[in-house]
Amino acid sequence: DAGVIQSPRHEVTEMGQEVTLRCKPISGHDYLFWYRQTMMRGLELLIYFNNNVPIDDSGMPEDRFSAKMPNASFSTLKIQPSEPRDSAVYFCASRGQGREKLFFGSGTQLSVL
Amino acid sequence: KQEVTQIPAALSVPEGENLVLNCSFTDSAIYNLQWFRQDPGKGLTSLLLIQSSQREQTSGRLNASLDKSSGRSTLYIAASQPGDSATYLCAVSLVGGSNYKLTFGKGTLLTMNP
Repeated sequence: DAGVIQSPRHEVTEMGQEVTLRCKPISGHDYLFWYRQTMMRGLELLIYFNNNVPIDDSGMPEDRFSAKMPNASFSTLKIQPSEPRDSAVYFCASRGQGREKLFFGSGTQLSVL
Repeated sequence: KQEVTQIPAALSVPEGENLVLNCSFTDSAIYNLQWFRQDPGKGLTSLLLIQSSQREQTSGRLNASLDKSSGRSTLYIAASQPGDSATYLCAVSLVGGSNYKLTFGKGTLLTMNP
């Protein structure tokens, strides 16, 4: 298996633009997580899905952030409009039912100018 | 609210030494604790997972211990090697809430000196 695949690896955009981050989890994994990592706050859970259904989005910072999982092999995290304080590395992770180890993607480095 | 602390934030040691990384958490009602490794520009790789009922887990040169009552875990790395240079993070999940939600420490950046 190729592991968790995220795209793009790097994204540079201007304030106010829409940003879409993409994730393909490991085949057969039932849980998908979106995390954000910054120097100041470390790793924070934004939202997670189980069987494509959002279970907990309490970590989503505000309404500018939205996430979808239209099928078991694809998820998106959208920021609209983006702001400089959204600059961070965004990670997607997945795990299987009953298997507690998380598998992370390589992340998307987002810079909002 | 669960808080996870890792001290020191950075550590530099000569190759070949045995070393210990520390992790502490404020709420002892954990479901499990995991240690991860993160290489620059990469995602996290799970190294060891300790269930709340366990005291330790071992994988190769790595040994993780858990003292739930005192809110502490240690990651022991034996005979350190250049390839061990990375950031090491610990994370806990809580009983009662969603045990799928992990709270992470900010990590210890380990640098091996030749």
